[in-house]
Amino acid sequence: QSVLTQPPSVSAAPGQKVTISCSGSSSNIGNKFVAWYQQLPGTAPKLVIYDNNKRPSGIPDRFSGSKSGTSATLGITGLQTGDEADYYCGTWDSSLSAYVFGTGTKVTVL
Amino acid sequence: EVQLVESGGGLVQPGGSLRLSCAASGFTVSSNFMTWVRQGPGKGLEWVAVLYRGGGTKYADSVKGRFTISRDDSKNTVYLQMNSLRAEDTAVFYCARDPPETGHDAFDVWGQGTMVTVSS
Repeated sequence: QSVLTQPPSVSAAPGQKVTISCSGSSSNIGNKFVAWYQQLPGTAPKLVIYDNNKRPSGIPDRFSGSKSGTSATLGITGLQTGDEADYYCGTWDSSLSAYVFGTGTKVTVL
Repeated sequence: EVQLVESGGGLVQPGGSLRLSCAASGFTVSSNFMTWVRQGPGKGLEWVAVLYRGGGTKYADSVKGRFTISRDDSKNTVYLQMNSLRAEDTAVFYCARDPPETGHDAFDVWGQGTMVTVSS
């Protein structure tokens, strides 16, 4: 049972925008930086956002992150078929003394 | 090229042991935090353990006392010794780098994963 809650799925047409929410608590998102990972089918996860809103080298600016209180959001604009994947938020939880991942969200391009 | 390559997965009986290896290239493991993450069949990501630069460790409650993370600096390799394996440990195990550049809050390099199946 994950302590970070995400919607199971989101979808949109090519070129449109999707947002994925990640809800936590004061022991994790509320006081820690949030990361987002993209997992394409059959592959290892890939970091797309860290420190709430920073993009690693090579990640297009179509991907953005934000945080407010105990929730974080990943946004993907200009949706492409190659963006179809599972997305996970992640952060440290000070109460659990463990890194925690969100429940995961499947992005579908209609 | 910065890369992680896991090995050592396979089929093991309940109660058995297995040691996973994670060979790094393009960077030094001892200069980073290194972590293991697993993913059960059809399930989400689950953090397993972290090895700090100074050698300290931390584990998920689900593996505490059964798994041990370590490294060999001469081989630039991280290990995960898994004992008393259970069916619920069946998963793809990923090794990942947790660098200072991300504030140690994110894993920026991942291996391809190695499958561990616990079954009789």
